[in-house]
Amino acid sequence: AQSVTQPDIHITVSEGASLELRCNYSYGATPYLFWYVQSPGQGLQLLLKYFSGDTLVQGIKGFEAEFKRSQSSFNLRKPSVHWSDAAEYFCAVGTTSGTYKYIFGTGTRLKVLA
Amino acid sequence: DSGVTQTPKHLITATGQRVTLRCSPRSGDLSVYWYQQSLDQGLQFLIQYYNGEERAKGNILERFSAQQFPDLHSELNLSSLELGDSALYFCASSPTGAGRLTQYFGPGTRLLVL
Repeated sequence: AQSVTQPDIHITVSEGASLELRCNYSYGATPYLFWYVQSPGQGLQLLLKYFSGDTLVQGIKGFEAEFKRSQSSFNLRKPSVHWSDAAEYFCAVGTTSGTYKYIFGTGTRLKVLA
Repeated sequence: DSGVTQTPKHLITATGQRVTLRCSPRSGDLSVYWYQQSLDQGLQFLIQYYNGEERAKGNILERFSAQQFPDLHSELNLSSLELGDSALYFCASSPTGAGRLTQYFGPGTRLLVL
């Protein structure tokens, strides 16, 4: 079955430190992969996406993600975290099995220490 | 701002009642998706409409229904509400063609059933 796993429910980092949020997917075909961010009381904002081509994709707010097919992973990274990055981050795979829809991971809540 | 709007922002109601959530997609987007975000189930796909027609159903209860109108706005109707229906309900839209792979989310409607 198709699934997305975000192994870390909570992550705490200090401001200025680097960040990596993990995402693993289970999907038989070439996945369409996304990272979204949800700030408190807000909707889901698209950070970046991967469909094909260069496996390192750049997104908004200084985020990047790397697709590794061999590891079925799409980890999100940022070299230096800002306090405003505190939010919940969701990885999603777009599945074309049947009608196209998203399957979301359970999310990782990021806390940033000043 | 994704361009997707949802009303109301918050809704408080009692068990057994019926509510209607409204979504206006981004200009030109024909597809509308509804998702439910709850603490125990995470983000779950409910239903998709494309240009007025139902395209796909996910984990949508029989007590829930949706429609998409000729002006492309969509409504999600929740009836015989139970405490467990308390959640954040998101609407997303996507364009046609290759752009259909990316969904843009509204700010959500937070429903509290007392």
